[in-house]
Amino acid sequence: DTAVSQTPKYLVTQMGNDKSIKCEQNLGHDTMYWYKQDSKKFLKIMFSYNNKELIINETVPNRFSPKSPDKAHLNLHINSLELGDSAVYFCASSQNGQGWGTDTQYFGPGTRLTVL
Amino acid sequence: GDSVTQMEGPVTLSEEAFLTINCTYTATGYPSLFWYVQYPGEGLQLLLKATKADDKGSNKGFEATYRKETTSFHLEKGSVQVSDSAVYFCALSGVGTGRRALTFGSGTRLQVQP
Repeated sequence: DTAVSQTPKYLVTQMGNDKSIKCEQNLGHDTMYWYKQDSKKFLKIMFSYNNKELIINETVPNRFSPKSPDKAHLNLHINSLELGDSAVYFCASSQNGQGWGTDTQYFGPGTRLTVL
Repeated sequence: GDSVTQMEGPVTLSEEAFLTINCTYTATGYPSLFWYVQYPGEGLQLLLKATKADDKGSNKGFEATYRKETTSFHLEKGSVQVSDSAVYFCALSGVGTGRRALTFGSGTRLQVQP
């Protein structure tokens, strides 16, 4: 039973299109994240939600909009896709109990987005 | 802000060689430190972690010790296997309100040859 799942695994689309990536976790965690991994493998946080509330919103173009319908789901919608959006997007979750920052983050398998 | 610096790769070793991947960090307060591993075509998996100074994290023969005096968390393994070939990421989790996200190093690719 997959702990953190993402769909789709691969996404190929044209510039200017709008697309969504979905993430679900069945770990009962309170906090979910979106990370972007570029072509050089560098990983950077984009967003974080805790119990459906946005708590981290890094410097990301406002074409990217996260949505958390409940604490088990965090979706990422991207408007007007650009070539530079091509990357692997990882969803993650963590429990985040009383130990600030000590909890392990569990990652999904990633979604490889290619914008043509 | 917080940052993590890892040694540049790729690192190429023969099977059964000793591995060290250096990692140093800059952070305020007392961050937690992590090593994650990414096998080809897969997501990231936690390899080990340490949450306070002098803690040693260990898993699958890998070890790393949280050294506050040198702000380091170097990854070591005494005898690598071909199956250890992957990209290794050092990361920290900051303290303070809202800073639960991981700050990653640039990753070090390890290639182990038979």
